[in-house]
Amino acid sequence: DIQMTQSPSSLSASVGDRVTITCQASQDISNYLNWYQQKPGKAPKLLIYDASNLETGVPSRFSGSGSGTDFTFTISSLQPEDIATYYCQQYDNLPPLFGPGTKVDIK
Amino acid sequence: EVQLVESGGGLVQPGGSLRLSCAASGFTFSSYAMHWVRQAPGKGLEYVSAISSNGGSTYYANSVKGRFTISRDNSKNTLYLQMGSLRAEDMAVYYCARDRLPYSSSPLGMDVWGQGTTVTVSS
Repeated sequence: DIQMTQSPSSLSASVGDRVTITCQASQDISNYLNWYQQKPGKAPKLLIYDASNLETGVPSRFSGSGSGTDFTFTISSLQPEDIATYYCQQYDNLPPLFGPGTKVDIK
Repeated sequence: EVQLVESGGGLVQPGGSLRLSCAASGFTFSSYAMHWVRQAPGKGLEYVSAISSNGGSTYYANSVKGRFTISRDNSKNTLYLQMGSLRAEDMAVYYCARDRLPYSSSPLGMDVWGQGTTVTVSS
């Protein structure tokens, strides 16, 4: 199985800050990476697919980049409604495992 | 409106069985592979199982292989997860989710999710 790691595991930032989360795959997954947002008590929501493509309706302050084994997820200007846990997921191989998540809250 | 609604969760004793259902609406169910993902209390997302659009191919995580069975009834727009030999570690919220693109030959991610149904395993 391809293992996914994320860092940091949690972070606190101020409204308007730029927030960056990294995700690393245990082997080359090309650009077969998704990012999800999960708010407390809610189902996950797909934000970015193919490492850098924004899902329809997702605000442009969210972005993703990377390929191979190293990926980055960025919120350009943190908003109060962005409080959530963010997960990366690889889909190069079965099983399409998720990273452990990064919890983002407001400082 | 595209929607997935899970049902069937509840309290079950260790070693028991439970069948989860996921009713789909608002899209052509038979065109999409479907997935089950679970989340134990306070934990992250764990991929459980997948089934192809026509039901001909299935996949199971090692943690549930041999105990869970995924199936679908395209005439009823419904996905199922039959769970057996349940253990404490199976206790979680179970989500059904739709694959991102129709007729995908392998999972591409999940773009529509249900609200989840809770499975509690306890004596």
